[in-house]
Amino acid sequence: AAGVIQSPRHLIKEKRETATLKCYPIPRHDTVYWYQQGPGQDPQFLISFYEKMQSDKGSIPDRFSAQQFSDYHSELNMSSLELGDSALYFCASSKEGQPQHFGDGTRLSIL
Amino acid sequence: TQLLEQSPQFLSIQEGENLTVYCNSSSVFSSLQWYRQEPGEGPVLLVTVVTGGEVKKLKRLTFQFGDARKDSSLHITAAQPGDTGLYLCAEGGGGADGLTFGKGTHLIIQP
Repeated sequence: AAGVIQSPRHLIKEKRETATLKCYPIPRHDTVYWYQQGPGQDPQFLISFYEKMQSDKGSIPDRFSAQQFSDYHSELNMSSLELGDSALYFCASSKEGQPQHFGDGTRLSIL
Repeated sequence: TQLLEQSPQFLSIQEGENLTVYCNSSSVFSSLQWYRQEPGEGPVLLVTVVTGGEVKKLKRLTFQFGDARKDSSLHITAAQPGDTGLYLCAEGGGGADGLTFGKGTHLIIQP
């Protein structure tokens, strides 16, 4: 079965640069979620979108923004990157109200 | 924000032994999910429990939801090295809401 696809799998950036992470949900899923997982930490919810509208907001920094497009894929845009932004970034998708299914993440390293 | 406490934080046992890990909250869960995560990969959904007193089985894994819906347990029978991983409980996700995760139990099954 098709899963959540994230790209790129690995990304290396320097401080103050920008980054864009992409997420392609499971077909026919209408909701996407973004999470950040630091080393040795549990995933922290950032933001979610349902039918291309922002739905719930967690601990997403002001330097980050996200959107969901007409084909339901989502992008997480990150600016003024800091060393502390180094983490695994997961996207999950679901049909509204159903359990979330996670992708394998993007590992972002800030030098 | 509901806080989820998982115990133990770390557990290392021999292949063939049985084990139980716990997830507790001071508040009532609307529903609870258990995920398993391996290093460098996204969390994989194991089960969702909704009804107080509910018991679900997934091969050698047995999940229980407390009658008051404030606690849950995961019991593994005859553990195998392939069970090694980080076991996370999570609450929320209703509608398009983000999940709140516990800190997880790091489980190592030694051959």
